[in-house]
Amino acid sequence: AQTVTQSQPEMSVQEAETVTLSCTYDTSESDYYLFWYKQPPSRQMILVIRQEAYKQQNATENRFSVNFQKAAKSFSLKISDSQLGDAAMYFCAYRTPGVYGGSQGNLIFGKGTKLSVKP
Amino acid sequence: EPEVTQTPSHQVTQMGQEVILRCVPISNHLYFYWYRQILGQKVEFLVSFYNNEISEKSEIFDDQFSVERPDGSNFTLKIRSTKLEDSAMYFCASRATGGGGYTFGSGTRLTVV
Repeated sequence: AQTVTQSQPEMSVQEAETVTLSCTYDTSESDYYLFWYKQPPSRQMILVIRQEAYKQQNATENRFSVNFQKAAKSFSLKISDSQLGDAAMYFCAYRTPGVYGGSQGNLIFGKGTKLSVKP
Repeated sequence: EPEVTQTPSHQVTQMGQEVILRCVPISNHLYFYWYRQILGQKVEFLVSFYNNEISEKSEIFDDQFSVERPDGSNFTLKIRSTKLEDSAMYFCASRATGGGGYTFGSGTRLTVV
């Protein structure tokens, strides 16, 4: 079964600095999707960034980028120029192929990393 | 930007009562999901729904749970006889085809007393 591991329960970063959140996963599939979701205190789940496993290029979204190492099954999130509004829980997620394969999959989440941003 | 809408935002119910959590997915999405998050824990998959039927469910989704898409727009999760351990945040999500991201609603906080 697929698993997602986030080994850092909590992280802290100074405002304007860069921080990297770690995520590893286990799968026997070759084609899949990976996601990072942000959950602020409101508990809304907000998509930050996604990566398609067949793409070698690392995904970027403004200040957010990933370091996707397929062979190592690693998917870390880098936040540059950290802002106070970045403080939240961050969840790494893997999309399963689903029972019927293709697009049927659901998300498996890691336990999350709580990010604090110091002014 | 299109949103997934969930109602109510917070519901308190007595143990043993039935609750229905409601969701309006994004209109052109085809895949629908329910997840739950017990306070302080990770988000867990409950059930996925496609083409008017359940496509996959987790071991959490036992006979006490059911889902419906009664009118082509709403997507509901029913818990027949709530237990204390059902207290959690319940998230609805929807997705278009292909590799698109899942759009989550803002959640319903269910408290069973």
